[in-house]
Amino acid sequence: EVQLVQSGAEVKKPGATVKISCKVSGYTFTDYYMHWVQQAPGKGLEWMGLVDPEDGEAYYAENFQGRVSITADTSTDTAYMELNSLRSEDTAVYYCAKTRGGLPTSLDYWGHGTLVTVSS
Amino acid sequence: QSVLTQPPSVSAAPGQQVTISCSGSISNIGNNYVSWYQQLPGTAPKLLIYENNKRPSGIPDRFSGSKSGTSATLGITGLQTGDEADYYCGTWDSSLSARLFGGGTKLTVL
Repeated sequence: EVQLVQSGAEVKKPGATVKISCKVSGYTFTDYYMHWVQQAPGKGLEWMGLVDPEDGEAYYAENFQGRVSITADTSTDTAYMELNSLRSEDTAVYYCAKTRGGLPTSLDYWGHGTLVTVSS
Repeated sequence: QSVLTQPPSVSAAPGQQVTISCSGSISNIGNNYVSWYQQLPGTAPKLLIYENNKRPSGIPDRFSGSKSGTSATLGITGLQTGDEADYYCGTWDSSLSARLFGGGTKLTVL
């Protein structure tokens, strides 16, 4: 059974950095890309970026470029998303999701989400 | 403002059918597969349709997808109260090298 288990909720102050993990099981981690998606309260899904666990290459959305880093640790089958210079607008649920196939394919399994609250 | 345009809301009575549209451009929907996701309140999104019109295992055939040019449509027949959710279309944009999502459509089953 494919599972993506994310780390727990975080509370951060403005200007801080948060790093969320996504540990996978039930499939070969390096065979599929891992995406990260932000969902602010009451808002839609916003793509942040992805990583190819095979070689670590990452692509980032323009809106998050320079503030986000997405990495993969093949020794633990875990993907990470680090977001820095946090501001109140970053308060959101963050999801990891794996592709069904190659780079442009759909996201077939999602993590349960990690709530990040940014507040002074 | 999402690059993929969806209606904010749709509604219909139980047992009826509804369609949700998703409009894009040649660089995204026009040249890539479209997928659809269902997000029930308080839960993670779930893949409903992939490669324009295919259903993952376990998704009932009440859900269907289609694509024509730079637009795609999700259809749901035999509406049930349990179908009340937010629905998102998604695709890859070849020019941006980015994954895109529509703004989402809230389905209300009256």
